Amino acid sequence: KAGVTQTPRYLIKTRGQQVTLSCSPISGHRSVSWYQQTPGQGLQFLFEYFSETQRNKGNFPGRFSGRQFSNSRSEMNVSTLELGDSALYLCASSSDRADTQYFGPGTRLTVL
Amino acid sequence: TQLLEQSPQFLSIQEGENLTVYCNSSSVFSSLQWYRQEPGEGPVLLVTVVTGGEVKKLKRLTFQFGDARKDSSLHITAAQPGDTGLYLCAGGWGSWGKLQFGAGTQVVVTP
Repeated sequence: KAGVTQTPRYLIKTRGQQVTLSCSPISGHRSVSWYQQTPGQGLQFLFEYFSETQRNKGNFPGRFSGRQFSNSRSEMNVSTLELGDSALYLCASSSDRADTQYFGPGTRLTVL
Repeated sequence: TQLLEQSPQFLSIQEGENLTVYCNSSSVFSSLQWYRQEPGEGPVLLVTVVTGGEVKKLKRLTFQFGDARKDSSLHITAAQPGDTGLYLCAGGWGSWGKLQFGAGTQVVVTP
């Protein structure tokens, strides 16, 4: 079974731009969660989608948004990028037992 | 503020030695996961423990979930260079995809 895939793997943007990251979950998994990982804050939960609905949300500003499609693929969008948004963005998928999550390789976002 | 405290933050040992990493919290979790992450990659799931007092063994790795489901430990026997990585514990409340991660323990095993 193929694992979680994320595209692109690397991205360089400048302040004020917006960015869209994509995640394809493991086949059959309907839950997709997004996390931000930085050296200072570690892994922090952004939000989780299940069957196209956002079920849970972390403490991030409204510039961070996401969506999920009917095939369970998910996208995350960050608008008006700030330098502090530079991070590894990780997507994880799970079956109905949401506690066990399988992570993708991440998208490394650098904001200049 | 980290709800999950991992210790130590860094561990450097020689091949063949044993090591233990701890994960402690004041919160009760419905489950706890351990992951290993290598630079530039996503965390790889090692184990999920759900029952207080549960012990799981995965080859040279032994995982324990505390009786009160607030803490966990990871013990590696006869460590090998391939065990090098960032070990992360994550607690779940069964609340739909939201895992609380510890800051991680960087383990370096030298030949």
